[in-house]
Formats: sequence, structure tokens, C-alpha cells
Amino acid sequence: GENVEQHPSTLSVQEGDSAVIKCTYSDSASNYFPWYKQELGKRPQLIIDIRSNVGEKKDQRIAVTLNKTAKHFSLHITETQPEDSAVYFCAASIGFGGQFYFGTGTSLTVIP
Amino acid sequence: DADVTQTPRNRITKTGKRIMLECSQTKGHDRMYWYRQDPGLGLRLIYYSFDVKDINKGEISDGYSVSRQAQAKFSLSLESAIPNQTALYFCATSDTGTGGNYGYTFGSGTRLTVV
Repeated sequence: GENVEQHPSTLSVQEGDSAVIKCTYSDSASNYFPWYKQELGKRPQLIIDIRSNVGEKKDQRIAVTLNKTAKHFSLHITETQPEDSAVYFCAASIGFGGQFYFGTGTSLTVIP
Repeated sequence: DADVTQTPRNRITKTGKRIMLECSQTKGHDRMYWYRQDPGLGLRLIYYSFDVKDINKGEISDGYSVSRQAQAKFSLSLESAIPNQTALYFCATSDTGTGGNYGYTFGSGTRLTVV
């Protein structure tokens, strides 16, 4: 099955700086890559996703890039704010609307 | 939002007891999933169901069973709970993708402690 690795496991940045979280996947058939944010004590929530036919997608301060050749994708958060502090999970899926394989999570702390 | 509801929210049970975690959804999604979350291990799939008659094992199904009672209901059972099943359990649903929305909607989670 698919194997998703996520780095780093913890990340601390100063408010206003950028944060980058990277994931790699093993199965070249994977074609859908969502990112989830989980605040303390809450459920994971989808923040952005990308399909394999697209190399980059942006939504305000958040962007995701995908390199299919290298089988890796990254989450970029610019102008970080304290409310960005959370655990972020990447995932990969073969096909749409199916089983996700999750990374192990990155705990992001934004220091005011 | 209460569109994916898990009960109970918290549960402490003793080793060897049978326990059922329940999930119901009002999103009209056909696909439902059970994951467990452990610190440093992320979210791992226990079982999933693509419709009422379809049940599939995930990567860590040993010690668990499921029942899909209806499109809207998917229950997870621990037949004989053991301490290493202490974890945060999430139910999730997803659409088939035809509408362009492929992401999961998670429930609020059930924190299970086995003593």
C-alpha cells in the first residue's frame, strides 16, 4: 500500500515568518493530496488539497506544491499567525473519494 | 458542525470488556471510515465501508470489528478491549467524488481509555 512520510514532526516559527511542511509518498498512482489542520482537542479539518494534474494551488496565506516526478508535496504558510498553531497532516489517495493514507503529523507552533 | 456525530465523546473501560463506538452522519455520504490517532503515529485506518454492503479492513483491523447498519451509521466494536487500544478514535465520511469534493469530514472523536 501507499506510504506517506511527513517532516518535520515539530516546527516553531516566529509570527510573520513562513512555515513549510514536506511530505513524500511511495505510490505513483496516488493522485489526490489533501492537507488537514487539527487544533488542540478538535477534529482534523481540510485546509487545502491538490490533484495530480496541478503543480501548485494557493488559498490566501496557504499554498501547496506537488512534484510528481519526485513524489513529494509541500504545504507553505506565509505570514504565520498564532492561530496557525496546530498539528498539520498530509495525506495521499489513489483515486478520488477513497481511502486516505496520512502522514504522522507536524506540530506547528507560531511564537508571538 | 454536527453533521458527523460520534458517541460517546469519552469512555473509560476495563480490560476485557466489549465496547461499541458509534458514528452517524447527515451528509448523505456513502463512504465511511474509522481511524485511530496516537501521538507520533498520525491517523491509521481501522476499517472502511463504501456502501451498506461493503466492509473492508484497514491497516490495523486486528482486535476490532465494524457494522454498517445503514448509510448513515457505522459502528466500531472492540470485542475484548486491551490497554494498547487506548487512543483517540475518529469516524470520517467522504463523497464518491463526483461532485468535485473529495475530502473527508471527520467526527469530533471518541477518546477511549482502557485500564
